[in-house]
Amino acid sequence: DGGITQSPKYLFRKEGQNVTLSCEQNLNHDAMYWYRQDPGQGLRLIYYSQIVNDFQKGDIAEGYSVSREKKESFPLTVTSAQKNPTAFYLCATSDRVNQPQHFGDGTRLSIL
Amino acid sequence: KQEVTQIPAALSVPEGENLVLNCSFTDSAIYNLQWFRQDPGKGLTSLLLIQSSQREQTSGRLNASLDKSSGRSTLYIAASQPGDSATYLCAVTDQAGTALIFGKGTTLSVSS
Repeated sequence: DGGITQSPKYLFRKEGQNVTLSCEQNLNHDAMYWYRQDPGQGLRLIYYSQIVNDFQKGDIAEGYSVSREKKESFPLTVTSAQKNPTAFYLCATSDRVNQPQHFGDGTRLSIL
Repeated sequence: KQEVTQIPAALSVPEGENLVLNCSFTDSAIYNLQWFRQDPGKGLTSLLLIQSSQREQTSGRLNASLDKSSGRSTLYIAASQPGDSATYLCAVTDQAGTALIFGKGTTLSVSS
């Protein structure tokens, strides 16, 4: 989706290191979401934010943190507490909750 | 807890065949249901969204139906083409409308 930019496309993490995944949108959407996808699995919700300066935990929030200081940006930090971080991470946005979600192209995180 | 199941997990068909992908969900109290397409290593592209009050939606060769009372949705693809080869994901939004709950997907391969 051209209006959602995730970076980097590939990311490698060393043991004990925190890494931050970027998600930027120019769609003027209020709601933003982070999902994790493992091979052969559906997407699982990590965190979501309905408005600036507010966010809620999803089903698998342990070992992750987020911030929503600007409407356009919703970065995800994978902390050293996340023991199995290798996955494909997808950011999504929607005009507001319950509206269709639009997805970025994802970031693939691997362990060195 | 809402669970979404997609059958079959994989499907191979010759070009030109009409096909049906199935999605079932355990809690009928949904707000809407979305079908997505995912190409390898890419993000999700929204195909169709059906509101809980609707029975079906159509877009080109795609038709999605929703039977909320039985907890089922089907995605019908007419006259399949090799370019339709991808993984198709079904997701529901619960009444709280916080985020999508995904099935594991059906991987479709259309041979020429």
